[in-house]
Amino acid sequence: KAGVTQTPRYLIKTRGQQVTLSCSPISGHRSVSWYQQTPGQGLQFLFEYFSETQRNKGNFPGRFSGRQFSNSRSEMNVSTLELGDSALYLCASSLGDLESPLHFGNGTRLTVT
Amino acid sequence: SQQGEEDPQALSIQEGENATMNCSYKTSINNLQWYRQNSGRGLVHLILIRSNEREKHSGRLRVTLDTSKKSSSLLITASRAADTASYFCATGPLTDSWGKLQFGAGTQVVVTP
Repeated sequence: KAGVTQTPRYLIKTRGQQVTLSCSPISGHRSVSWYQQTPGQGLQFLFEYFSETQRNKGNFPGRFSGRQFSNSRSEMNVSTLELGDSALYLCASSLGDLESPLHFGNGTRLTVT
Repeated sequence: SQQGEEDPQALSIQEGENATMNCSYKTSINNLQWYRQNSGRGLVHLILIRSNEREKHSGRLRVTLDTSKKSSSLLITASRAADTASYFCATGPLTDSWGKLQFGAGTQVVVTP
């Protein structure tokens, strides 16, 4: 079974630009979660989608948004990029119940200059 | 904000030795999970222990959970160089749980041959 695939692997953007990150979950997984990982704040939950609906959301500004398609693939968008948005963005898929482990992709490393 | 606190922050051992790391958390939980992350990569799920369980084993891993003390420990027996990684505990909260795990800051483990 193929794992979680995130594209692109690396991104360099300029302040003020916007960016879209993509995540393809494991086949059969209907839940996709997004996390931001930084050295200072660690791993922080952004949001979770299940069957195209956002079920849960973390404490991030509205510049961070996401969506999920009917094939469970998900995208995350960050608008008006700030230097502090530089981070490793991790996507994880699961079956969607409260005891299913999360299966993470290798992340997208975003650098904002 | 992070839910868990791992102890120690860093651990250096030789191959064949055991590695023990601890995790404390603050709120009531559904379950507690441990993940491993190799440098710059995604997280890999190791083991999940439910709130009504006290101990769980998986291969060379042993996890304990003490909900009265809000703490957990992960023991890796007979360490190998390939165990070099960061280890994170993550709690599944009772509410607003979908896709959301609250991660600790992690323990960096270095296993030298």
